[in-house]
Amino acid sequence: DQQVKQNSPSLSVQEGRISILNCDYTNSMFDYFLWYKKYPAEGPTFLISISSIKDKNEDGRFTVFLNKSAKHLSLHIVPSQPGDSAVYFCAAKTTNAGKSTFGDGTTLTVKP
Amino acid sequence: KAGVTQTPRYLIKTRGQQVTLSCSPISGHRSVSWYQQTPGQGLQFLFEYFSETQRNKGNFPGRFSGRQFSNSRSEMNVSTLELGDSALYLCASSEEGANYGYTFGSGTRLTVV
Repeated sequence: DQQVKQNSPSLSVQEGRISILNCDYTNSMFDYFLWYKKYPAEGPTFLISISSIKDKNEDGRFTVFLNKSAKHLSLHIVPSQPGDSAVYFCAAKTTNAGKSTFGDGTTLTVKP
Repeated sequence: KAGVTQTPRYLIKTRGQQVTLSCSPISGHRSVSWYQQTPGQGLQFLFEYFSETQRNKGNFPGRFSGRQFSNSRSEMNVSTLELGDSALYLCASSEEGANYGYTFGSGTRLTVV
């Protein structure tokens, strides 16, 4: 039973446009959600997070939206840049748990 | 601050052998977690250590074990290697608290032949 799902394995967008990466979860106990970016031959890098008590968190070009009733979150990147091309992982955790549960990742390609 | 350091970066082993991977977390981080990434798969949680104690464990067979030392450095051991153990093994450390994301190392690429 995969508790965190990223249903789109890949996404391609034009430079300057918006990239929207989606993530669904099934465990209602999750109360913290995080996004990571991974380049080849490197470990994932933490991007942005959101608590379940919020529905939006913004950091520069990156905004994460959370819809608790739908158990859905999304990462918006505006404007997209070629350097954003990477694999993006969605992750979820409960407040007192040390472990995070990851989705399978979405490969974003931003074309110049 | 120095990042999370994993050694070695690459490793080739034969079936049946055992292997030990090492991880040095960011100074001050007491939580160290290990994940396995295989092609087409997300990150599968192996275990988490906090203050030398295993706090969480994933659904991996007993051939996978780990430990954490008093300086927070961690090791992961896989015994009786199988071909399916070929993967990227990632170590991550974090500060305590739900709002802190992981800082990952670059990983150890293990190939079992």
